[in-house]
Amino acid sequence: KQEVTQIPAALSVPEGENLVLNCSFTDSAIYNLQWFRQDPGKGLTSLLLIQSSQREQTSGRLNASLDKSSGRSTLYIAASQPGDSATYLCAVSGAGSYQLTFGKGTKLSVIP
Amino acid sequence: EAGVAQSPRYKIIEKRQSVAFWCNPISGHATLYWYQQILGQGPKLLIQFQNNGVVDDSQLPKDRFSAERLKGVDSTLKIQPAKLEDSAVYLCASGPGKGLRSYNEQFFGPGTRLTVL
Repeated sequence: KQEVTQIPAALSVPEGENLVLNCSFTDSAIYNLQWFRQDPGKGLTSLLLIQSSQREQTSGRLNASLDKSSGRSTLYIAASQPGDSATYLCAVSGAGSYQLTFGKGTKLSVIP
Repeated sequence: EAGVAQSPRYKIIEKRQSVAFWCNPISGHATLYWYQQILGQGPKLLIQFQNNGVVDDSQLPKDRFSAERLKGVDSTLKIQPAKLEDSAVYLCASGPGKGLRSYNEQFFGPGTRLTVL
């Protein structure tokens, strides 16, 4: 059974800092990995999707990497802004079922 | 394009009552998912539809939960009777299925927050 772990559970940084969120998964036989953002009381917004054959994806100030063999992914946020404050969720989909298994998330607070 | 719509946004009921949630996916999306997100946890898949057929409902508590997707478009999720531990946010997501984009990229609705007293 796939398990996804996100570290740290919460993170508080001053505005302008670069930061890294970590995600690990137990079964390396994945189809893809997605990073989502969730604002309080809102649904999930997809940030980046990395196919199992890819090593990284970039969108604006966000860069996600994937090391499938070691079961790890990182989400790098450059020059953090208060608007980046949210919970960030990592999810992997199995190669057979395509269903998403989520981590518990990292709650990020960017202090002005 | 319009996103995934869900209603109601909030619902408060007493235990043993019944409740139903509605989801309208993005137009043309073949796959539809219902997730349960308990406070402080990541979403957990309850049921997955492909068009109007069930792909996986292995984590759906079938003694009290039911879901249907008539005509392969809208979907409803019902809880009858509700328990205290059903308090959670219920998220609906849809995906294009096969196509130019990832086979299982999912787009989420705003969710329905259920409180069972």
